Amino acid sequence: AQSVSQHNHHVILSEAASLELGCNYSYGGTVNLFWYVQYPGQHLQLLLKYFSGDPLVKGIKGFEAEFIKSKFSFNLRKPSVQWSDTAEYFCAARGRGGATNKLIFGTGTLLAVQP
Amino acid sequence: GAGVSQTPSNKVTEKGKYVELRCDPISGHTALYWYRQSLGQGPEFLIYFQGTGAADDSGLPNDRFFAVRPEGSVSTLKIQRTERGDSAMYLCASSLMAGGAADTQYFGPGTRLTVL
Repeated sequence: AQSVSQHNHHVILSEAASLELGCNYSYGGTVNLFWYVQYPGQHLQLLLKYFSGDPLVKGIKGFEAEFIKSKFSFNLRKPSVQWSDTAEYFCAARGRGGATNKLIFGTGTLLAVQP
Repeated sequence: GAGVSQTPSNKVTEKGKYVELRCDPISGHTALYWYRQSLGQGPEFLIYFQGTGAADDSGLPNDRFFAVRPEGSVSTLKIQRTERGDSAMYLCASSLMAGGAADTQYFGPGTRLTVL
């Protein structure tokens, strides 16, 4: 079955610390991968996405993610977090070339950055 | 232009009642999606429209749930005989063209449904 796993449910960091949020997927074919972010009181926004090509993807606000096919992973990273990065982060996957365009989401990781 | 909008932002109803949730996609987006998000969970797919037709309704939990998109723009999610377990945030998303390699879904703010 198709699934996305996020193993870190709640992460607390101090400002300037480095961030890595794990994401693993289980899919039967080629996938597109996404990270969405939800800031407090706001709706889901796209942070970055991977479709093909360079497995290291750079997104907004200094975030990046690396697609490692052999590990079925798409971890999110940021070298130095800010208080404004406090939010919930969702990893999502979508099968390519199929009849449906639906996204499969992980359960989310709540990040709290302390000033 | 404007993003995806959803109305109402909050809906409180009683068990057994009928509710309608509305989604206005980004202008020009042909694909529209409904998801449901329960507390502590990620969004779960319900149904996806390409134009006026439902291309994939495999996520609808049962026949109390139904969605329409009669003119290929605005969509309405309809829930009959609501149950307490239907309480959740209902999210709508739209994309320019479903299935395209570079297609990205843009989400609305959601409708929080509470069934008492």
